[in-house]
Amino acid sequence: GAVVSQHPSWVICKSGTSVKIECRSLDFQATTMFWYRQFPKQSLMLMATSNEGSKATYEQGVEKDKFLINHASLTLSTLTVTSAHPEDSSFYICSANPDRRGPYNEQFFGPGTRLTVL
Amino acid sequence: GNSVTQMEGPVTLSEEAFLTINCTYTATGYPSLFWYVQYPGEGLQLLLKATKADDKGSNKGFEATYRKETTSFHLEKGSVQVSDSAVYFCALSDQGNDMRFGAGTRLTVKP
Repeated sequence: GAVVSQHPSWVICKSGTSVKIECRSLDFQATTMFWYRQFPKQSLMLMATSNEGSKATYEQGVEKDKFLINHASLTLSTLTVTSAHPEDSSFYICSANPDRRGPYNEQFFGPGTRLTVL
Repeated sequence: GNSVTQMEGPVTLSEEAFLTINCTYTATGYPSLFWYVQYPGEGLQLLLKATKADDKGSNKGFEATYRKETTSFHLEKGSVQVSDSAVYFCALSDQGNDMRFGAGTRLTVKP
């Protein structure tokens, strides 16, 4: 159990276009999901916390209008990279925090989406 | 705020060598501690975890003990294999909120 999926796993787009990435919790409900960004050979950087039914909470330095987050249901959060540019190319990873907490306060991670902007 | 400091790599070992990757943390509360592994081109996979002081997490021959007195959670394996080559991340989570990651340590195991 506790599987998180992401779609697409890999996307290439032209500069100036928008790209939507989906994050789904397949077998549990998640009021809270998280979006991370990972540059090559670097660690994960938390971008924002996605809250079902309310606005996302963005980390300092992350542009809200650039990275639109919508948490439409208890199993789905989407990240839309608007007007993408080459510097937005990165590996985007989501995670979900099950509403039914276990003893370890664990998050479950999706497999990631590699975005390449030409 | 909460943070994790992790031994930076890269680390290169021969097969069957002993592995230690150091991890220390700073936290205001009583966080849960994790080690994640990332294979090339893939997302993060949970390797092991511990929720309180003196807990030992273990999986696939890897071990780490939650040491509150030294605020550490070092990862160890007695005999590494080529298939263990990956990037390892130490992380902490305070009450299930956002997770803070270390910088990651790239391990390469040579035959």
